[in-house]
Amino acid sequence: AAGVIQSPRHLIKEKRETATLKCYPIPRHDTVYWYQQGPGQDPQFLISFYEKMQSDKGSIPDRFSAQQFSDYHSELNMSSLELGDSALYFCASSLRIDNSPLHFGNGTRLTVT
Amino acid sequence: DAKTTQPPSMDCAEGRAANLPCNHSTISGNEYVYWYRQIHSQGPQYIIHGLKNNETNEMASLIITEDRKSSTLILPHATLRDTAVYYCIVRVAANAGGTSYGKLTFGQGTILTVHP
Repeated sequence: AAGVIQSPRHLIKEKRETATLKCYPIPRHDTVYWYQQGPGQDPQFLISFYEKMQSDKGSIPDRFSAQQFSDYHSELNMSSLELGDSALYFCASSLRIDNSPLHFGNGTRLTVT
Repeated sequence: DAKTTQPPSMDCAEGRAANLPCNHSTISGNEYVYWYRQIHSQGPQYIIHGLKNNETNEMASLIITEDRKSSTLILPHATLRDTAVYYCIVRVAANAGGTSYGKLTFGQGTILTVHP
């Protein structure tokens, strides 16, 4: 079965640079979620989109923005990168109805040097 | 969302059943119990979820107490590949409405180590 696809798998950036992470949800899923997982920490919710509209917002820095496009893929844009942004970034997708579980991709590992 | 409490770590012998407990004493009537696991640095993997009835799938069984204040995830025959962090998460039901629906809030899970 098709899974959530994230790209790139690994990304190395320098401080103050920008980064764009991409997420392709499972076909027919209408909701996308972004999570950040720092070293030794649990995944933290950043933001979610339903039918291309922002539906919920968590602890996402103002330097980050995200959107969901007409084909339902989503991009997380990160600017003025800081060393503390080094983390695993996971995308998940689900169907809004019927208590459909979230299905996660394998993440993008961002390293800021 | 209701808070959950899990033991920080558990051990299990390969081939034996692993029983992972979770307390969610403040769970509301419109909240489901979900279980996920995360194998080192991989994306969290969905295992099972339930509202009030016991549930079983190809991966595991979920036993929810009658008062819904606690639950147990059962891996019937644990293998070395089941070594992971297991998260018990309470999530608002879809028909509850509001913008908080949907996201999962990860707390401290249980590190399950399956040994030979």
